[in-house]
Amino acid sequence: QSVLTQPPSVSGAPGQRVTISCTGSSSNFGSGYDVHWYQQLPGTAPKLLIYDNTNRPSGVPGRFSGSKSGTSASLAITGLQAEDEADYYCQSYDSSLGGWVFGGGTKLTVL
Amino acid sequence: QVQLVQSGAEVKKPGASVKVSCKVSGYTLTELSMHWVRQAPGKGLQWMGGFDPEDGETIYAQKFRGRVTMTEDTSTDTAYMELSTLKIEDTAVYFCASFSRRAYESRGYDAFEMWGQGTLVTVFS
Repeated sequence: QSVLTQPPSVSGAPGQRVTISCTGSSSNFGSGYDVHWYQQLPGTAPKLLIYDNTNRPSGVPGRFSGSKSGTSASLAITGLQAEDEADYYCQSYDSSLGGWVFGGGTKLTVL
Repeated sequence: QVQLVQSGAEVKKPGASVKVSCKVSGYTLTELSMHWVRQAPGKGLQWMGGFDPEDGETIYAQKFRGRVTMTEDTSTDTAYMELSTLKIEDTAVYFCASFSRRAYESRGYDAFEMWGQGTLVTVFS
């Protein structure tokens, strides 16, 4: 049971827009800690997708965007492509636990 | 270009220990905050512990305290994660992951932007 809650799965057709939510609490997002997002393709290491709530590392397409408000965050993917089919994880720091934490992960299926 | 290269797959019996290495190139280990994350088969990512630049100490997730030890050999820029008293449920892929200490100190940046390829540890009797 993670302190960051994500939906287990989301899906969308090619070209559509999907969002993945990440719900935290007062000890992580509510305390001002940033959220980061990772994409994990099958059999590979996670890859940083969004850092510090809204920023994309070099090389990440503009179709990916992040936001954070209060104790919630979300990842949006527009113009969905088949290659976006992967697992997505949010991550932050939690002051109650005294360490870094991941969300449970969301499997994105491109229909 | 930072690279993290991990040691190969391991097979262990319950009760044994395993030590996984993570060799850094392109940076020195002292420039990084190194962490370990595991992923059981078909499951999500779980942070195990790592170097906290805020207080300069290695901290561990409560679930693993007493069973895990994370060390660093700065002469070879290699980080190690040793997990003892292995159980069947410790079967997982173990990743090293890191961020720049300088980036953390200058602007609180703590996203894991660098990852090793993962090491599969299988525990079975």
